[in-house]
Amino acid sequence: AQSVTQLGSHVSVSEGALVLLRCNYSSSVPPYLFWYVQYPNQGLQLLLKYTSAATLVKGINGFEAEFKKSETSFHLTKPSAHMSDAAEYFCAVRGTYKYIFGTGTRLKVLA
Amino acid sequence: NAGVMQNPRHLVRRRGQEARLRCSPMKGHSHVYWYRQLPEEGLKFMVYLQKENIIDESGMPKERFSAEFPKEGPSILRIQQVVRGDSAAYFCASSPGSPDYEQYFGPGTRLTVT
Repeated sequence: AQSVTQLGSHVSVSEGALVLLRCNYSSSVPPYLFWYVQYPNQGLQLLLKYTSAATLVKGINGFEAEFKKSETSFHLTKPSAHMSDAAEYFCAVRGTYKYIFGTGTRLKVLA
Repeated sequence: NAGVMQNPRHLVRRRGQEARLRCSPMKGHSHVYWYRQLPEEGLKFMVYLQKENIIDESGMPKERFSAEFPKEGPSILRIQQVVRGDSAAYFCASSPGSPDYEQYFGPGTRLTVT
């Protein structure tokens, strides 16, 4: 069975600092992995996806993620946090017929 | 190309009433998925439907919940006799095929049970 684990339900960074949100996956087959962002009371916006092509995936809003098979990780990073990045972030893996989501990481950006 | 549409965006029901949530998939998509997001949690899969068929309902509560995707019209998620614990955001996604196609998510319906 496939699953994802997001380490850290809350992360705080200063504006301009590096953002690192952690996601580890478990999958018996090559995984398709996704990162989504959700602003309060809104839907999901796809940030980026890994579909077995390049291991370093660039997404929207300056985010990127690196697929590391040896570490079963797909961590999300951004070099410099903006206040507008404050939101909840979800990692997901595609299973059979369904996406399996992590429990989310709420990112707080401090001025 | 319009995205996945859900209505209503917000729905308030009293305990014991019925809730009907609608989802119109993207044009050309014939596969629909429903997910539920309880407060402070991630999305959890509920049901996967193709036109007129339920393919996988392993995430649906056994009682009070049902889903359909008729030949014509939107997909409907129906919750009968709602209880406070049904308060959540319900998201619909669609894809042109399955299982190897990306799912596109709608904006969600936020159900509040009073």
